[in-house]
Amino acid sequence: QKEVEQNSGPLSVPEGAIASLNCTYSDRGSQSFFWYRQYSGKSPELIMFIYSNGDKEDGRFTAQLNKASQYVSLLIRDSQPSDSATYLCAVRRGSNYQLIWGAGTKLIIKP
Amino acid sequence: DAGVTQSPTHLIKTRGQHVTLRCSPISGHKSVSWYQQVLGQGPQFIFQYYEKEERGRGNFPDRFSARQFPNYSSELNVNALLLGDSALYLCASSFDDTLTGYTFGSGTRLTVV
Repeated sequence: QKEVEQNSGPLSVPEGAIASLNCTYSDRGSQSFFWYRQYSGKSPELIMFIYSNGDKEDGRFTAQLNKASQYVSLLIRDSQPSDSATYLCAVRRGSNYQLIWGAGTKLIIKP
Repeated sequence: DAGVTQSPTHLIKTRGQHVTLRCSPISGHKSVSWYQQVLGQGPQFIFQYYEKEERGRGNFPDRFSARQFPNYSSELNVNALLLGDSALYLCASSFDDTLTGYTFGSGTRLTVV
């Protein structure tokens, strides 16, 4: 079992709809959770991070964390073609300084 | 403001050679981390340095080494290159070690032939 798992996709969503991206993690000691977006050939860029159970909203993006279920998700409202990218979930375990990454979900927004 | 700067952007090396990759963090950032990203996979942690001290090392062989200089820039060295070392090498900087302000450079694409 991988430490951080994501559906590789591609996930195809119509423009203007809500895109829902999911990530599960295996280590219950994980404390910090990050969503990054990576365009093809580019480096990852941070979208948002979440520490506490519940929802965290930033513009069109909402991160949801459920530590009991070891599940973190990212919702993108009013999806735009420019949101088409690979979305990477990353997890920090306790005081460890490294991030553990999923393989990413490729999202395609269809005009 | 300049972001995280990595050099070179692309590199082609032969098996068995040595390579040095360089990273300049955002001004004021004291933490630098190195990641390897193979095509189709998420980044894999190699090293983290904070205030010039090694704070973490990933599951990479001793052929990989790094250091951080007094100006917080960093070098990643890889000896005895293997074909499997071909990847995008990413450097990320942050002000401290909480990872909340993690910013990546554009990466160095290393091809080993």
